[in-house]
Amino acid sequence: QVTLRESGPALLTPTQTLTLTCTFSGFSLTTSGMSVSWIRQPPGKALEWLARINWDDDKYYNTSLETRLTISKDTSKNQVVLTLTNMDPVDTATYYCARVGHPAYYYYDYWGQGTLVTVSS
Amino acid sequence: QSVLTQPPSVSAAPGQKVTISCFGSSSNIGINSVSWYQQVPGRAPKFLIYDNNKRPSGIPDRFSASKSGTSATLGITGLQTGDEADYYCGTWDSSLNAGVFGGGTKLTVL
Repeated sequence: QVTLRESGPALLTPTQTLTLTCTFSGFSLTTSGMSVSWIRQPPGKALEWLARINWDDDKYYNTSLETRLTISKDTSKNQVVLTLTNMDPVDTATYYCARVGHPAYYYYDYWGQGTLVTVSS
Repeated sequence: QSVLTQPPSVSAAPGQKVTISCFGSSSNIGINSVSWYQQVPGRAPKFLIYDNNKRPSGIPDRFSASKSGTSATLGITGLQTGDEADYYCGTWDSSLNAGVFGGGTKLTVL
């Protein structure tokens, strides 16, 4: 079955760089049409889409955060990595990775449990 | 400010029906399919609807959805207390070249 799990630091200080890893199983990012996205949710607020990486290494970013975000994949490890530079307290959120269920329909059919990242001095 | 607009809250009694709207634009809902997610506090979102109106396996037919123009609607019939959650719509915005979500709607089953 398909599973995804986020891992990374729980606490960062302002200006640090966040590096999160999504380790998945049950599918491969070498399969045509497969994609993984990162989505975050500040406490008590709405979902915010961050980035997406495709099987062909095409990458898409939230335009508001594009200068700070990098998404990459390691297909040998079944992992997708997200980095967000210059962290600020407003970046405090639960960060989720999710599989994109179909390349044309942009839905997220499997989600990780999420990892809470707190930014505080 | 979310790209897609949802009402902050809706409520209805057990057994009743409720609808949740999602308004977008010609660059997102107008040309791309809509999905819906249910999120119970403290849990990851759960996949409810894809391709505007299709239910993945395991989602009861009490949940339905539709799309018309630049808006979409989620409907839930036979409301149960277990349906209390936040509901989000999502799609792709072809102008932003990015995924987008609604601001979420909190459903209260009175």
